Amino acid sequence: GQQLNQSPQSMFIQEGEDVSMNCTSSSIFNTWLWYKQDPGEGPVLLIALYKAGELTSNGRLTAQFGITRKDSFLNISASIPSDVGIYFCAGQLSGAQKLVFGQGTRLTINP
Amino acid sequence: NAGVTQTPKFQVLKTGQSMTLQCAQDMNHNSMYWYRQDPGMGLRLIYYSASEGTTDKGEVPNGYNVSRLNKREFSLRLESAAPSQTSVYFCASSLRTGGNQPQHFGDGTRLSIL
Repeated sequence: GQQLNQSPQSMFIQEGEDVSMNCTSSSIFNTWLWYKQDPGEGPVLLIALYKAGELTSNGRLTAQFGITRKDSFLNISASIPSDVGIYFCAGQLSGAQKLVFGQGTRLTINP
Repeated sequence: NAGVTQTPKFQVLKTGQSMTLQCAQDMNHNSMYWYRQDPGMGLRLIYYSASEGTTDKGEVPNGYNVSRLNKREFSLRLESAAPSQTSVYFCASSLRTGGNQPQHFGDGTRLSIL
């Protein structure tokens, strides 16, 4: 089946640092979504991207839909303790009824 | 506005027991989904229901059945639980499948099979 390769799998950073993570695929996607999961909770949608090249921000978060439609990245600027969690990318193929999820990036922040 | 509500939040079963996980959404969404989440594997789709009255298999359907009871409710049933089904189960919903309709998730059911 379709696969998304998300990297890095984990990150250990200092508070205040910027963070960057990405997802790549061999398939072309029409939609890219970024979710965050806090411990004990379900994933929460952060940013949705619908056009190749689209760059969208949500506060300190910025995500881009790659121009080839095969990748996407998420940046977090000036990290704070509440950014800790697991970040998932998800892609949807044209006309598909299902999302494909990456394996997740676990973010840990040292105060 | 509760969004997607899953019950129970935790459950421990013995091998061979049966169990139904409940999910309800109050967003008037047409499509609903069941995922399982295992360490290092992200979310894998078990079954989904594109609209009331329809259900389809996802990536890992074996050992599970689903029922789309009405537009609001979508249940997942384990007929004979196995240790390999120990996981965290998430229900999600979206306005419809495909197109620009993000999925919204519940808080999960943590299921342990002994």
